[in-house]
Amino acid sequence: DIQMTQSPSSLSASVGDRVIITCRASQSVSRYLSWYQQKPGQAPNLLIYAASSLQSGVPSRFSGSGSGTDFTLTITSLQPEDFATYYCQQTYSTRTFGQGTKVEIE
Amino acid sequence: QVQLQQWGAGLLKPSETLSLTCGVYGDSFSIYYWTWIRQPPGKGLEWIGEINQSGSTNYNPSLKSRVTISIDTSKNQFSLKLSFVTAADMAMYYCARERVGSGKYYEIDYWGQGTLVTVSS
Repeated sequence: DIQMTQSPSSLSASVGDRVIITCRASQSVSRYLSWYQQKPGQAPNLLIYAASSLQSGVPSRFSGSGSGTDFTLTITSLQPEDFATYYCQQTYSTRTFGQGTKVEIE
Repeated sequence: QVQLQQWGAGLLKPSETLSLTCGVYGDSFSIYYWTWIRQPPGKGLEWIGEINQSGSTNYNPSLKSRVTISIDTSKNQFSLKLSFVTAADMAMYYCARERVGSGKYYEIDYWGQGTLVTVSS
């Protein structure tokens, strides 16, 4: 299996901050990498697919980059509704998720 | 508007078989992979497996011996069975649709509402 490791596991930030979450794969996944946001009591929601493509309807403050083994999700100017847990997922082979990054209010 | 609506027993005894079904409304079964994912309380997401309209399946190796995913295209439904459940299988179970994008990448764009499965004697 391809292991996905996110860092940090949690972070505290303030409204307006720039937040960067990283996701590292144990082997190359090319650009088969998606990012999801999950709020308490809700199913996850697709933010980014193919490493850097913004899902329709997702605010442009979210962006993704990377290829191979190293990926980042960037939130520019964090908004109150962005406090949530974020997961990466590789779809290069048998699907696996990162362990999640919880973004909390500082 | 695509909707995934799931149902099934939420309370099981150890060694019983978990059985969930997901109905797909507003779209056909073609092109996509139909997926099951679970999330233990307070923990992260675990991919269980997937099936396409032809019935071709892929499973998480750690669950493969206990999992069966099936599809009924006539009813626009797909199902999950997980045998011999234990407390470790307690989780929110989600059905989901994995699309194949124009660049041949895959991502989950629709999710069911989730079913909380409890295992208790």
